[in-house]
Amino acid sequence: RKEVEQDPGPFNVPEGATVAFNCTYSNSASQSFFWYRQDCRKEPKLLMSVYSSGNEDGRFTAQLNRASQYISLLIRDSKLSDSATYLCVGDTGGFKTIFGAGTRLFVKA
Amino acid sequence: NAGVTQTPKFQVLKTGQSMTLQCAQDMNHEYMSWYRQDPGMGLRLIHYSVGAGITDQGEVPNGYNVSRSTTEDFPLRLLSAAPSQTSVYFCASSSPGDNEQFFGPGTRLTVL
Repeated sequence: RKEVEQDPGPFNVPEGATVAFNCTYSNSASQSFFWYRQDCRKEPKLLMSVYSSGNEDGRFTAQLNRASQYISLLIRDSKLSDSATYLCVGDTGGFKTIFGAGTRLFVKA
Repeated sequence: NAGVTQTPKFQVLKTGQSMTLQCAQDMNHEYMSWYRQDPGMGLRLIHYSVGAGITDQGEVPNGYNVSRSTTEDFPLRLLSAAPSQTSVYFCASSSPGDNEQFFGPGTRLTVL
């Protein structure tokens, strides 16, 4: 079983839709979690950190559920420019950073 | 600032050839890492460094060597290329205590 698992998608949604991605992790020692965004044939870039208390940045909301060992990302009012692959990342510290394989999102007009 | 730069952008090698992928950063970051990204696998850590003169193995180090003689540069050497090393290679840097990793644009390597 992979340490960080994501639904690969693709998720195809119309503009303006709300879409949610989930990610599960198996290592209970994981301390920090993040969502990175990766555009086609580009490098990953940090989208947001994930906290147990929840983290909101504009249209994006990230949540961590330690009891169930999953992380979520909610995107409201989807834009065409949101089309990308979203990588879930768990970090146990000491360079034990595990990237999920990514969830592909296509937002269509 | 240029951030993290990688050269070359594309490379085709024959089995058994060796080469060095270059990585440089101008953000004075202590930490640098090399990852490979394969379809369906996510990014996997090859080698990393926590400072000049200090390197360590990641999850998939076999077939690769690294060195860190300066803070800015972190080259990755393929000793004897194999088709299994066909991948996209990303270099990343970060500061201690800072969660964000900054990635270079990647090197797309094909081994025939």
